[in-house]
Amino acid sequence: EDKVVQSPLSLVVHEGDTVTLNCSYEVTNFRSLLWYKQEKKAPTFLFMLTSSGIEKKSGRLSSILDKKELFSILNITATQTGDSAVYLCAVILSNSGYALNFGKGTSLLVTP
Amino acid sequence: GAVVSQHPSRVICKSGTSVKIECRSLDFQATTMFWYRQFPKQSLMLMATSNEGSKATYEQGVEKDKFLINHASLTLSTLTVTSAHPEDSSFYICSAGDRDYEQYFGPGTRLTVT
Repeated sequence: EDKVVQSPLSLVVHEGDTVTLNCSYEVTNFRSLLWYKQEKKAPTFLFMLTSSGIEKKSGRLSSILDKKELFSILNITATQTGDSAVYLCAVILSNSGYALNFGKGTSLLVTP
Repeated sequence: GAVVSQHPSRVICKSGTSVKIECRSLDFQATTMFWYRQFPKQSLMLMATSNEGSKATYEQGVEKDKFLINHASLTLSTLTVTSAHPEDSSFYICSAGDRDYEQYFGPGTRLTVT
């Protein structure tokens, strides 16, 4: 059975802290791993990672994939209260078209 | 980025009635759309893959006769929850991809069955 596991499930930090969110996967036919941010409504796309070792960066967020150890991390530096959200990791399998297999998410709360 | 819309954003219906949710890709054509369901404090679960011009592919445990999917055009997929029950109350989200497996989600539909 394909599995996507995120940790921690929830996290509370102070503004300015740096956080690292983890996503490990055990799937057959891995194609890509994606990170999403979900606030009140539907998830918004952050990153798609297909190759190992190549860091993707967008502002204070960055992410990297390790296909040997089967995990990815999402880093957020200098956190702000607006970063409070659920961060979802999802895996696309090469035999599933575009369908996403989601982890349970990490709920991040950034306090002032 | 690409835009996907959903309608309605929120619906309340009585037990036993049917509800139709529309998902549209506004600025691109999508031969494949996906329907997800999200219960409170849980992650998104794929329900089915909607294929334009052919039958939808349902995930294990999802009743195809209860959740009817129609993908009549390259920009529209509909999900009809038939004979809704309170346990069908959930957040339903559709998505579509235009290239490189990057998916765009609709804003979601909150269904409450009383």
